[in-house]
Amino acid sequence: DAGVIQSPRHEVTEMGQEVTLRCKPISGHNSLFWYRQTMMRGLELLIYFNNNVPIDDSGMPEDRFSAKMPNASFSTLKIQPSEPRDSAVYFCASGGDTGELFFGEGSRLTVL
Amino acid sequence: AQSVTQLDSQVPVFEEAPVELRCNYSSSVSVYLFWYVQYPNQGLQLLLKYLSGSTLVKGINGFEAEFNKSQTSFHLRKPSVHISDTAEYFCAVDRSTSGTYKYIFGTGTRLKVLA
Repeated sequence: DAGVIQSPRHEVTEMGQEVTLRCKPISGHNSLFWYRQTMMRGLELLIYFNNNVPIDDSGMPEDRFSAKMPNASFSTLKIQPSEPRDSAVYFCASGGDTGELFFGEGSRLTVL
Repeated sequence: AQSVTQLDSQVPVFEEAPVELRCNYSSSVSVYLFWYVQYPNQGLQLLLKYLSGSTLVKGINGFEAEFNKSQTSFHLRKPSVHISDTAEYFCAVDRSTSGTYKYIFGTGTRLKVLA
């Protein structure tokens, strides 16, 4: 089992550019989550999908952020346009029936 | 509103000494409780979980936690720590009784094990 796979691991971009983060959940898991981690705010849930359907996006900070899950094996988190305050580590996690979340290794985003 | 409080942001401890990382939660309903560990530059991984049954839960790497409903606490303990236990530890509550991942994470406790 390869675990949750995220790409890219590191992204450096300039303010105003579009950023797309990608996630492949564990096969068979029906729930997928996007989290953001910063020193100031800790771990924040951005959005939660169940069976590819967005269930709770109340954590998405603003309209510049969007997330999609076109199928059970792929999700994207897009920021357009990016701003320096979006710099953070973005984690994708998936879960099945056990109550346990499995996290990817994260995508470290730096917006200059 | 639901909340999880980890009172200690950092805990330094010498190698082979015992450690307790504290976690308190507020909830008026049944909850599932979790401890996750995050090693540097990695994602979080599950240490242990309490869903029901025995209030003393054993996890990986020699860690254990005790669910105390009256004190709404779920403190993490290890009798003898190793240098490799240096990491950040997160307590989490899933307030959904059906396990649908309504997680709330604490702010984390950074454990530093000293030689």
